[in-house]
Amino acid sequence: QKEVEQDPGPLSVPEGAIVSLNCTYSNSAFQYFMWYRQYSRKGPELLMYTYSSGNKEDGRFTAQVDKSSKYISLFIRDSQPSDSATYLCAIGRGSTLGRLYFGRGTQLTVWP
Amino acid sequence: EADIYQTPRYLVIGTGKKITLECSQTMGHDKMYWYQQDPGMELHLIHYSYGVNSTEKGDLSSESTVSRIRTEHFPLTLESARPSHTSQYLCASSDLGMGYTFGSGTRLTVV
Repeated sequence: QKEVEQDPGPLSVPEGAIVSLNCTYSNSAFQYFMWYRQYSRKGPELLMYTYSSGNKEDGRFTAQVDKSSKYISLFIRDSQPSDSATYLCAIGRGSTLGRLYFGRGTQLTVWP
Repeated sequence: EADIYQTPRYLVIGTGKKITLECSQTMGHDKMYWYQQDPGMELHLIHYSYGVNSTEKGDLSSESTVSRIRTEHFPLTLESARPSHTSQYLCASSDLGMGYTFGSGTRLTVV
């Protein structure tokens, strides 16, 4: 069983739409939850970082963690063409974090 | 500027050649990682290091080796490249409790 599952999409939305991206994970020991954004031919960049449960908001981006359901989400409000990228969820555990487990990534296209 | 650098960005090489993919970071991070990424697939951990002279194999069976003689440098070596090694290789580093900083990757094609 994979540690984390993510629907690869692709997802195509019009500019201004609200986008919802999701992942599920298998082990309740995971405490660190992240979202990375990867543009074509680039390395992933950290977008959102959450420790334990709850929500975190940063501008148009909101990350949610539901540990009871082992479900993490990323919401993008007022999506822009510049948001077109692949979004990867990542989970980790341990007092010093260490290695992360990544989802397959969801390819998002926002069209004008 | 603190960053992580990978060279080369692109490499096309013949079967059987020995290659080294370079990765250097200027952030003083103890932890470094090598991942393999194929289109539409998860990032697979190949090797990782939690400090100088400390290296471990990851989940993906690989014919590659790594070394960590200096904190900032974590090269990946393929002794004999094969077409099955064609992929994107991503290097990353992290600090205590923080997320990864990735390099831009090396896209390797073995012909």
